[in-house]
Amino acid sequence: EVQLLESGGGLVQPGGSLRLSCAASGFTFGSYAMNWVRQAPGKGLEWVSVISGSGGNTHYADSVKGRFTISRDNSKNTLYLQLNSLRAEDTAVYYCAKGLWFGDSSPFDYWGQGTRVTVSS
Amino acid sequence: EIVLTQSPATLSLSPGERATLSCRASQSVSSYLAWYQQKPGQAPRLLIYDASNRATGIPARFSGSGSGTDFTLTISSLEPEDFAVYYCQQRSYWPLSFGPGTKVDIK
Repeated sequence: EVQLLESGGGLVQPGGSLRLSCAASGFTFGSYAMNWVRQAPGKGLEWVSVISGSGGNTHYADSVKGRFTISRDNSKNTLYLQLNSLRAEDTAVYYCAKGLWFGDSSPFDYWGQGTRVTVSS
Repeated sequence: EIVLTQSPATLSLSPGERATLSCRASQSVSSYLAWYQQKPGQAPRLLIYDASNRATGIPARFSGSGSGTDFTLTISSLEPEDFAVYYCQQRSYWPLSFGPGTKVDIK
């Protein structure tokens, strides 16, 4: 059974940093692209970033480019998102989502339950 | 950036009725469009990928159609568990993008 478990969220001041983690199990982690998708309170879904199975390719939403960094450790079956220079508008639930296929633009077939990030002074 | 527009914003229907949801892209995304369902307090669930392919375990009452810029998600006969928010998402261009969602609620 595929499981994705996010952690690392919390309350942080504007300008601060956080690192989110997503522990994966139930599939061959390194064979699939992994994504981060966020959802601000009461709002819709916003794709944030993707990393290929090997970790060699990454893409970001314009809203986070230069501030967020996606990475993965295939030996630990874990996905990461480093959030720097946080702004109030980054407040959201952050979901990790597995790609349906190997390709980095594949649909998202499994999602974690999310970790909440609140940026406030 | 590809902008996805969904209509209507809210669809009020009764169980057993047919639901037709629309998603329009600002430029052609070929068939690279997916649909997701999200219920309150839950993560989204993949329903349809590449416009018309049902994801694993999705009931046959869900179907998708379209290509280019115009897409439709149809729920042939609404079950009580189908009342939720539905999002479309394109994977044709970076950055990937979602539509704003259509809420299907009980009339």
